[in-house]
Amino acid sequence: QITLKESGPTLVKPTQTLTLTCTLSGFSINTSGVGVGWIRQPPGKALEWLALIYWDDDKRYSPSLKSRVTITKDISKNQVVLMMTNMDPVDTATYYCAHRKQGYFDYWGQGALVTVSS
Amino acid sequence: IQMTQSPSSLSASVGDRVTITCRASQSISRYLNWYQQKPGKAPILLIYDASNLQSGVPSRFSGSGSGTDFSLTISSLQPEDSATYSCQQSDSTPFTFGQGTKLEIQ
Repeated sequence: QITLKESGPTLVKPTQTLTLTCTLSGFSINTSGVGVGWIRQPPGKALEWLALIYWDDDKRYSPSLKSRVTITKDISKNQVVLMMTNMDPVDTATYYCAHRKQGYFDYWGQGALVTVSS
Repeated sequence: IQMTQSPSSLSASVGDRVTITCRASQSISRYLNWYQQKPGKAPILLIYDASNLQSGVPSRFSGSGSGTDFSLTISSLQPEDSATYSCQQSDSTPFTFGQGTKLEIQ
């Protein structure tokens, strides 16, 4: 059974760096063909794709956030980590990680609400 | 690639046939996926690659289209279908989502 779970701070201050961890279960980030992505959703707004990492360490980023976002994987812990620098109140959102199969996201984490406020 | 959904919201009755459309700003072949999301919950994959029903999804959901124009149809609306529906293109990164369509059951 594939599950994903996001963890990290619920509150960050403006200009701080956000680090979110996605813990994977039921599959390995090291398996050929596997991808894990991060998607966020500000309150009451649309989903926004942020980044994606593949089993072979290929990484893709949203152009609008590329300078602020880094995605990495920890094979030993079977985790994917998202870092976002210089956080701003507009970055307040629920952050999801999701398992990518071919082109679509078939399993999602429950989401982690991150509020940016001083 | 920009994804534009219409309508932004709609209200329909149980048993109605409902169609939501999604338009891509350029051709994405059939790399279009549909998700359902209820308040406070993560999205659920309904349809992938334009017309393939995800395992476990009721058969009243169907998808069609190719190129730039796509649609999601619910053949006979049920009370539990009240949700926001979003399309997403997986042709090329960034894998953009539509703005969502909020479906209310009258």
